[in-house]
Amino acid sequence: GNSVTQMEGPVTLSEEAFLTINCTYTATGYPSLFWYVQYPGEGLQLLLKATKADDKGSNKGFEATYRKETTSFHLEKGSVQVSDSAVYFCALMPYGNNRLAFGKGNQVVVIP
Amino acid sequence: EAEVAQSPRYKITEKSQAVAFWCDPISGHATLYWYRQILGQGPELLVQFQDESVVDDSQLPKDRFSAERLKGVDSTLKIQPAELGDSAMYLCASSEGGTVTLKANVLTFGAGSRLTVL
Repeated sequence: GNSVTQMEGPVTLSEEAFLTINCTYTATGYPSLFWYVQYPGEGLQLLLKATKADDKGSNKGFEATYRKETTSFHLEKGSVQVSDSAVYFCALMPYGNNRLAFGKGNQVVVIP
Repeated sequence: EAEVAQSPRYKITEKSQAVAFWCDPISGHATLYWYRQILGQGPELLVQFQDESVVDDSQLPKDRFSAERLKGVDSTLKIQPAELGDSAMYLCASSEGGTVTLKANVLTFGAGSRLTVL
């Protein structure tokens, strides 16, 4: 089946530190991959997306590259800010199917 | 910027009571989704509509949950009777639908309806 696995546990880091959140997926064919962000008390917002192998999605300083050989879509940001504190979800949509499947999410806490 | 509207934002109810949530998708979006998000977990799909038709309700607990989108526009999700384990955030999302372009596959989420069952 189609599934997404995110690294366990919250991530706590200092302002201006480098952020990486790991995401791996299992899917048949060529899914589209997404990162969504959820700020406290709010719904999910699309952060970035990629639709094919080697595509790089980017937005607000965040980047993720679609790696088919490692079935990964890791999220990175070079210098985080306190305002980046949120929960980040990796998600997958199989080709030809509009059903979006989410990982469990990672809470990111950025300390001033 | 167009938004997905949901109401109520918060609902507190006692177990065995009925509760309903409403969602108004972005105008023109053919596909509508209801997700349930338990605290600390990722959203899980409950039901997916294409226009007024259900295309996936395999994870919907049909003994107590029902969903409808009668005119293919707004939608209602109902729980009757509510149980303690139903406490969660209920998220509605919409997309243009279709399978060809990435734009069609991008879901826009509403702010959610947080349910607390006592």
